[in-house]
Amino acid sequence: DQQVKQNSPSLSVQEGRISILNCDYTNSMFDYFLWYKKYPAEGPTFLISISSIKDKNEDGRFTVFLNKSAKHLSLHIVPSQPGDSAVYFCAASGNFGNEKLTFGTGTRLTIIP
Amino acid sequence: DAGITQSPRHKVTETGTPVTLRCHQTENHRYMYWYRQDPGHGLRLIHYSYGVKDTDKGEVSDGYSVSRSKTEDFLLTLESATSSQTSVYFCAVTNGGEQYFGPGTRLTVT
Repeated sequence: DQQVKQNSPSLSVQEGRISILNCDYTNSMFDYFLWYKKYPAEGPTFLISISSIKDKNEDGRFTVFLNKSAKHLSLHIVPSQPGDSAVYFCAASGNFGNEKLTFGTGTRLTIIP
Repeated sequence: DAGITQSPRHKVTETGTPVTLRCHQTENHRYMYWYRQDPGHGLRLIHYSYGVKDTDKGEVSDGYSVSRSKTEDFLLTLESATSSQTSVYFCAVTNGGEQYFGPGTRLTVT
């Protein structure tokens, strides 16, 4: 039972345009959501998070949107840069982050120069 | 960088042999986790620890055991390695909220 789903295994975007990565979840007890970025041969690095009391959180070029009624979140990257090419994982937890994380399967983002 | 190191970084072992992977942290994080990453599965939690000598199972714990005798070290042991345990293993730490990951150990079981 995949509680966190990333239905697009890959995404290609032109440099300078907006990248939108999507994530769906099924467990209504999740109240804290995170995005991680992973380069080959490295560990995942934390990118941005959002708690269920918000519907948007922004950090520079990165914005995460949360739609609780649809159990959907998305990561927007604008403008996209070549260094953004990586695998992006969506993750979720309960108790505002004080519980185990459940990860999605990841989306490989490729930025085309 | 959350002060996490993993050793070894790469290991090739034979089926049936025991293997221990080590995670070491320097910033006194209370919670530590072991994940494995496999294509098509993302990261899956194997075991986690919420303090010295306090550990619990994750979603894919069969065939693995862990120990945490000191705050800074969390060991993952494969008692008898199988080919299905070929994977990349990541350690993570947190004091609540976001988790921070180590560089990973690539394990190949032949």
